[in-house]
Amino acid sequence: NAGVTQTPKFQVLKTGQSMTLQCAQDMNHEYMSWYRQDPGMGLRLIHYSVGAGITDQGEVPNGYNVSRSTTEDFPLRLLSAAPSQTSVYFCASSYWGYGSGANVLTFGAGSRLTVL
Amino acid sequence: QQQVKQSPQSLIVQKGGISIINCAYENTAFDYFPWYQQFPGKGPALLIAIRPDVSEKKEGRFTISFNKSAKQFSLHIMDSQPGDSATYFCAASIGAGNTPLVFGKGTRLSVIA
Repeated sequence: NAGVTQTPKFQVLKTGQSMTLQCAQDMNHEYMSWYRQDPGMGLRLIHYSVGAGITDQGEVPNGYNVSRSTTEDFPLRLLSAAPSQTSVYFCASSYWGYGSGANVLTFGAGSRLTVL
Repeated sequence: QQQVKQSPQSLIVQKGGISIINCAYENTAFDYFPWYQQFPGKGPALLIAIRPDVSEKKEGRFTISFNKSAKQFSLHIMDSQPGDSATYFCAASIGAGNTPLVFGKGTRLSVIA
């Protein structure tokens, strides 16, 4: 039972490069989300999805793209990396809707991204 | 605007003491208030959560106190231990599992011997 798996753990990019942060969960969770964590800023929601084919923007979506083609995977794409996107990125998943376990987020271990 | 305000930003407590972290919210539609604990190099994990139909919830040494009229809730860690040293986040949502969680900015707790 792996939970939420994020890859890569570390990445260094140059300004303007593109990359994809991968997130996979094996708990059959409907809800998946991406947060970024910056010192003094807490966890800020980038994008989220409540099921395959459904995505929505969070608090800080600019510069990021997502898609959800399967229940298990929710990749985060940076199309043209900027130094302001230097951060630690967390993927999280949970059940969705009312009931036990809903919105009990399981987080991945994080991906540390540096943009030079 | 920040929907959930958390204080203090950092906290140092002696071993055996009580750690208190406070959060305030504006949106009266929020009705689910969890706390997450994050150790260095790890992702956050759910610690304890409360709904507004109760004023207090206790799990071991961890207690959430909730004041609906003041729109405030707090985490109390009794008999704080060095192993409790971590970053703590409060959060809120409308209907657990119907809207994404909104997190506070976090409190870095250091428990010293």
